[in-house]
Formats: sequence, C-alpha cells, structure tokens
Amino acid sequence: SQTIHQWPATLVQPVGSPLSLECTVEGTSNPNLYWYRQAAGRGLQLLFYSVGIGQISSEVPQNLSASRPQDRQFILSSKKLLLSDSGFYLCAWSARTGVGNEQYFGPGTRLTVT
Amino acid sequence: AQKVTQAQTEISVVEKEDVTLDCVYETRDTTYYLFWYKQPPSGELVFLIRRNSFDEQNEISGRYSWNFQKSTSSFNFTITASQVVDSAVYFCALSEVSNDYKLSFGAGTTVTVRA
Repeated sequence: SQTIHQWPATLVQPVGSPLSLECTVEGTSNPNLYWYRQAAGRGLQLLFYSVGIGQISSEVPQNLSASRPQDRQFILSSKKLLLSDSGFYLCAWSARTGVGNEQYFGPGTRLTVT
Repeated sequence: AQKVTQAQTEISVVEKEDVTLDCVYETRDTTYYLFWYKQPPSGELVFLIRRNSFDEQNEISGRYSWNFQKSTSSFNFTITASQVVDSAVYFCALSEVSNDYKLSFGAGTTVTVRA
C-alpha cells in the first residue's frame, strides 16, 4: 500500500531563517505531487505541483520554492521566512495514470514563524 | 470566483443526530470530478469519496451517504447517526479538465458532535 511521509511534524523558525520541508511517497511510482498551505481556520491553498522529476508548477507567487530531486521526493523551501509563511503545510500525491484522481495527503507540518 | 461553495461554516449536533453538509460547485466543463475529504483535529486530510460528472447515482458507505444532483450543481454529504468521532472539518472539492485536474477546495464545514 502507498504511504506518504512528511517531516518535520512541527517547526518553529524565526523570521528571515531558511526553510526546508520534505515529503516522500512510498508504494507507488511516477506520482503527481502537491504542496498545499492551510492558514489557521482557513481552506487549502495549492502552492506547487509536480508531474515529474524537475517539473514544478507554481500556483501562487511568494517567497517559497519547491523541488523534486527524485521521483517520490518533494521538497518545499524558502531562503528567508516571513511571518505570513506560518501555517499548516500539507503534501499530497495522486496517481499519474487516469484523470481526476483523488489526492492522498500526508500528516502535515505545522510551521510557526516568530 | 469561488468554484466550490460550502455555505455552512459550522454545524453542531448531538450524538445520533443526522447532519447534512451542503456543497455547491460551479464549472463549465462537461467532465469533472467531485470529492469529499475529512480533516480531523490531527490535521491530516482523509479522502472519503470521488464522483465523476457522468455518475449521478447516490452512494452510501456505512453511515455516510452522498447525493449528487447535476441539475442544482450540488454534491451534498450526510452523516447518519453521528458520533463524536465524526467531529472534524469536512471539505468538498472539484477537479476540472480545464484546470489540469487540480483540486479546488471549498472553505470547509466544521462539524462538532456533542456527546
């Protein structure tokens, strides 16, 4: 069966510090991968998605970036965090074959920028 | 424009009551997909159901049931005989070919089931 991991689970970082969140998927190949952010009490905002290694699409201009160095690894980064980057970050995957597939989410990372 | 509208922000019920969550969507595509997800307090989104636009058959899974009506662009979700473990935020989402099948989420409905 497929599983998706995210780490760290929680993170407290000062403004201006760098960020690296990692997401890995097991049990599937060539997945589509997604990064979402959920601000407190709000809905989900798609940040980035990837259909293959090195292929990243950005949905929202911001100081975050994403990379996919391996087929089942998706990394969210920032060089300098802002207070507004605080939130709950969720990684998700979906099957590449077929269309309109459901996405499966990881446990998330709670980021607090102080 | 909001593609998925969940008009109910919060719903509070007593255990064993039924609760219906409304979801109204907007799309010009003829082929699209609808989803419901559950987000318990732990935070992880749990996939509940996927429906394509050509299948209007209602579905029941245990205490959960879904009513899809294309005529009103609605995909409502009912929890029968609610339990405390049903307390969560529930999201409705839409996937359209015109949007590369990315998910457009509603704002979510917080369901609180009181013992």
